[in-house]
Formats: sequence, structure tokens, C-alpha cells
Amino acid sequence: DIQMTQSPSSLSASVGDRVTISCRASQRISNFLNWYQQKPGKAPKLLIYAASNAASSLQSGVPSGFSGSGSGTDFTLTISSLQPEDFATYYCQQSYSTPYTFGQGTKLEI
Amino acid sequence: EVQLVESGGRLVQPGGSLRLSCAASGFGFSSHEMTWVRQAPGKGLEWLSNIGSSGSTIYYADSVKGRFTISRDNAKNSLDLEMNSLRAEDTAVYYCARIITFGGVIGGILDSWGQGTLVTVSS
Repeated sequence: DIQMTQSPSSLSASVGDRVTISCRASQRISNFLNWYQQKPGKAPKLLIYAASNAASSLQSGVPSGFSGSGSGTDFTLTISSLQPEDFATYYCQQSYSTPYTFGQGTKLEI
Repeated sequence: EVQLVESGGRLVQPGGSLRLSCAASGFGFSSHEMTWVRQAPGKGLEWLSNIGSSGSTIYYADSVKGRFTISRDNAKNSLDLEMNSLRAEDTAVYYCARIITFGGVIGGILDSWGQGTLVTVSS
């Protein structure tokens, strides 16, 4: 199975900050990497797909201001300027092969 | 608008069985691969199973293989998860999600999720 490791596990930041979350795969996965945002008591929401494509281009209601990069084993989610509604937990997920494993999550706190 | 509504979650005793359902609407259900993902209380996301659009291709996580069975009814726009031999560690919120493919190559993208249904396994 492909292991996904996110760093950091938690992060404190302020409104307006630029934030970066990392995700590393235990083997090369090309750009088969997706990012999700989850708020307490809610279902996850797709943010970035195929490493660098914003889900806001697919459907309405997806937060903007997020970008993704990377290929192979190392990936990054960047929030350009934190908004109050961005405080949540973020997960990466590889879809290169089943089982489609998720990272352990990064909790972004004020 | 894509809608996925899970149902069937409840308190069940260890060793018991439960069937979860996911009602889909607002899109061509029969054209999409579907999946179940769960989240134990206070924990992260765990992928459980995928089923292809026709139901002929199925994958399971090792943690549920042999105990859980995924199925779908394209005529009823419904996805099911039959769960047997339930354990305390199966306690979680269970989500169904739609899978899309990007560029005809990159699959496994979970673009729409239901609100989840809580399964509690306890005596």
C-alpha cells in the first residue's frame, strides 16, 4: 500500500497569512494526488485534484485561494491569504492505486 | 445539483450486521464509479471500497475485505454497503462519494460527498 504522510500535523496561523501544507507519498504517484478540506461535523470537500487543478473550476461552492503543486512523491497545498473560513483540517489522498490512502490530516488553527 | 444521502447507520452489537444505503440524485449515477469512506471519531479518513459504474469492478481495503460488500443498483440510483461481523473499531461516520476522472486518465477523485451516517458498534 502507498503511505501518505502530511506535515505538519497541526498548524497555527493568522488571517492573511500564507500557509503551506506538505504531503509525501511512499512511492511515486505521478500527479494522482488530491486535497480535501473538512470542517467539524461536515463531510470533506474536494479542493485540488490531479495535484494542481482547482476544484472551484468543477463546481460552485468550492473555496478559492487554494493552489496545489508537486509530482512524483512530494506535493504541496498552499493557501495564499488565510480567510476565517479556511480554518479546518486538510487531507491529501493518492488515487494512483487502491487502496486510495489518505494522509493523516493537517489541522489548521487560529 | 449532485446529492448523495446516506442512511442506515445505528447502534449495533459486536458481531452484528448492518446495511448502509446511499441515494444519489442530480447526475448520471450509472456513469460514475462510487466509493465508501469512513471516519472514526476524532480520526482521519479511511477509504473502504470502490465499485465501478457497472458494478463489475470492485476493490476493498484489507480492513474490511471479507466482511463488507459493496453493491449498486443503477436502476434505483442507489449504492449499498453490507457490513457483517462488525467490530468496535468499525465505529465511524460512513460517507459515500462520487468518483470522477480527469483527462480520462486520473481517476479516484472524490468530487461529491454525502453528509455521512454514524455507525456505532457497542454492547
